[in-house]
Amino acid sequence: DGGITQSPKYLFRKEGQNVTLSCEQNLNHDAMYWYRQDPGQGLRLIYYSQIVNDFQKGDIAEGYSVSREKKESFPLTVTSAQKNPTAFYLCASSISGTGSYEQYFGPGTRLTVT
Amino acid sequence: RKEVEQDPGPFNVPEGATVAFNCTYSNSASQSFFWYRQDCRKEPKLLMSVYSSGNEDGRFTAQLNRASQYISLLIRDSKLSDSATYLCVVNWVSGGYQKVTFGTGTKLQVIP
Repeated sequence: DGGITQSPKYLFRKEGQNVTLSCEQNLNHDAMYWYRQDPGQGLRLIYYSQIVNDFQKGDIAEGYSVSREKKESFPLTVTSAQKNPTAFYLCASSISGTGSYEQYFGPGTRLTVT
Repeated sequence: RKEVEQDPGPFNVPEGATVAFNCTYSNSASQSFFWYRQDCRKEPKLLMSVYSSGNEDGRFTAQLNRASQYISLLIRDSKLSDSATYLCVVNWVSGGYQKVTFGTGTKLQVIP
């Protein structure tokens, strides 16, 4: 079955620690995205990548870093510089190109930092 | 003005009712539009694309009004299982990159 996987589903960390969230897709999509969702709020774009070895900052990139070494994988690192890291993190992918295409989401990772 | 705006609701409707949501967008260069459904503590899932000519999928109808810059979603014969938050999504291409903006969602609660 084609899809997007994120792991782990729940993650707990102490303040001051970096943590990496995994996102893998086997949909053969070129574009991948990371969003953050806080309770009662909409999705906010952290980073996106249209192609391997290229990525762009979204609206709230500070305190986060990404890499895109493989088409299938787009891991997100939440660094200790992120002031309020506790949130629901969603990874998505889509076809890339000159048009606009729908995104497909993974199940998300709930990160709690104490 | 926000790029994409939705009434957060909640819309509390009885089973069998018809309910409609609107979503306004500010970028006139927007190219494509979608409705997603998000259940509590789950990921958003694509409900339907919104085409210029409008489109229908069973009890769901989506329409686009470019002149007034809004999209709508109509749900007929509401079911308990329709209870969720409905997100509108607006896309446009800028500098070769796809730009995606999500609305904050409209919460629907269908009551028995």
